[in-house]
Amino acid sequence: GAGVSQSPRYKVAKRGQDVALRCDPISGHVSLFWYQQALGQGPEFLTYFQNEAQLDKSGLPSDRFFAERPEGSVSTLKIQRTQQEDSAVYLCASSPNRISATDTQYFGPGTRLTVL
Amino acid sequence: GESVGLHLPTLSVQEGDNSIINCAYSNSASDYFIWYKQESGKGPQFIIDIRSNMDKRQGQRVTVLLNKTVKHLSLQIAATQPGDSAVYFCAERKTSYDKVIFGPGTSLSVIP
Repeated sequence: GAGVSQSPRYKVAKRGQDVALRCDPISGHVSLFWYQQALGQGPEFLTYFQNEAQLDKSGLPSDRFFAERPEGSVSTLKIQRTQQEDSAVYLCASSPNRISATDTQYFGPGTRLTVL
Repeated sequence: GESVGLHLPTLSVQEGDNSIINCAYSNSASDYFIWYKQESGKGPQFIIDIRSNMDKRQGQRVTVLLNKTVKHLSLQIAATQPGDSAVYFCAERKTSYDKVIFGPGTSLSVIP
């Protein structure tokens, strides 16, 4: 009965380093979302996958951000050449994608990224 | 543009009292409105949602009210408990399976 898990929980990077954040969704969930949450703010949408297809990446702030879900389960959010403004909590959510009913998103605990 | 916002950033309530958290939204095209609870160090947790064709929905100790005329959403928590202390976000979705658009949040503090 595991929920959404994310790793690492905390990441400290020096400015200019590349980082990779992992999300393990709930088994069988079709949809996967990434959100960015700045301190004291609500989460903001980054990107959305349905199985392995990335259907919406309109929220990615720059071309330094890249997400993938090659086999339709685990997803990785990669940030290249990190900047201080990338410091935030990165949340992953998955949902069953039941179009006929409210498709509740279940959130992971997030990865707190600090860029020095 | 789209936006979901809150009237009060912080709310302190005596244990056992009822809590009311309010939210204003601006996107009339949204079909679902949701309340999330976020505790420190955790991701948002779904509390309750309401579809745009409803004006009230009740859950366990929680009630969500939707007033489409004035674009207002509220969350009522009955008999507030210390475990209810958290940040509460109102949010919206255009469809049942679309991305979630969050508001800025209200911090609820329950005084024992």
